[in-house]
Amino acid sequence: DGGITQSPKYLFRKEGQNVTLSCEQNLNHDAMYWYRQDPGQGLRLIYYSQIVNDFQKGDIAEGYSVSREKKESFPLTVTSAQKNPTAFYLCASSIYPTNTEAFFGQGTRLTVV
Amino acid sequence: GENVEQHPSTLSVQEGDSAVIKCTYSDSASNYFPWYKQELGKGPQLIIDIRSNVGEKKDQRIAVTLNKTAKHFSLHITETQPEDSAVYFCAAPVYSGAGSYQLTFGKGTKLSVIP
Repeated sequence: DGGITQSPKYLFRKEGQNVTLSCEQNLNHDAMYWYRQDPGQGLRLIYYSQIVNDFQKGDIAEGYSVSREKKESFPLTVTSAQKNPTAFYLCASSIYPTNTEAFFGQGTRLTVV
Repeated sequence: GENVEQHPSTLSVQEGDSAVIKCTYSDSASNYFPWYKQELGKGPQLIIDIRSNVGEKKDQRIAVTLNKTAKHFSLHITETQPEDSAVYFCAAPVYSGAGSYQLTFGKGTKLSVIP
């Protein structure tokens, strides 16, 4: 089945460590996105990529990094510079341009311990 | 102000009653308005969307209306059922520079349907 897969579902990290969240899609979508979700804050855009080997900062990119080496994959690294990383992270993809449906993964809940 | 504002933040209705959630947007060039439903611990799923060339769209118990002049759009759920309980998000494309538009989401509405 076509879809977008995030892994792992739950992730625990010690303070000061970097951690990478995986996102893979087999929908042949050009565009991919990472959102952060906190209670009462809605979905905030971290990074997006409209094409392989290119990506742009979203509204809250500080402390995060991404890569887009393959069309199917858009991993997100939460670095030690992110001051408050505990959150629910959502990956999405869509046909470019973005005035079409975005398909979301099931999310990764990251907890800093 | 916010590019996409959504109200109310919480909504409780009796089973069988209707629910209405409203969103306003700021970018007059926005031309696509989706609504997403998010169940606890899951990713959002598209439930209905509307483009700027129509004023209303229905799909069984859900409908979306769009007023481009006033720059607002609404989600209507009729004959609500307990399984409609979830968080609902509206979204609209907002210009992000260099000829690019990105979907910007409202802050969500937590709908509770009371049996």
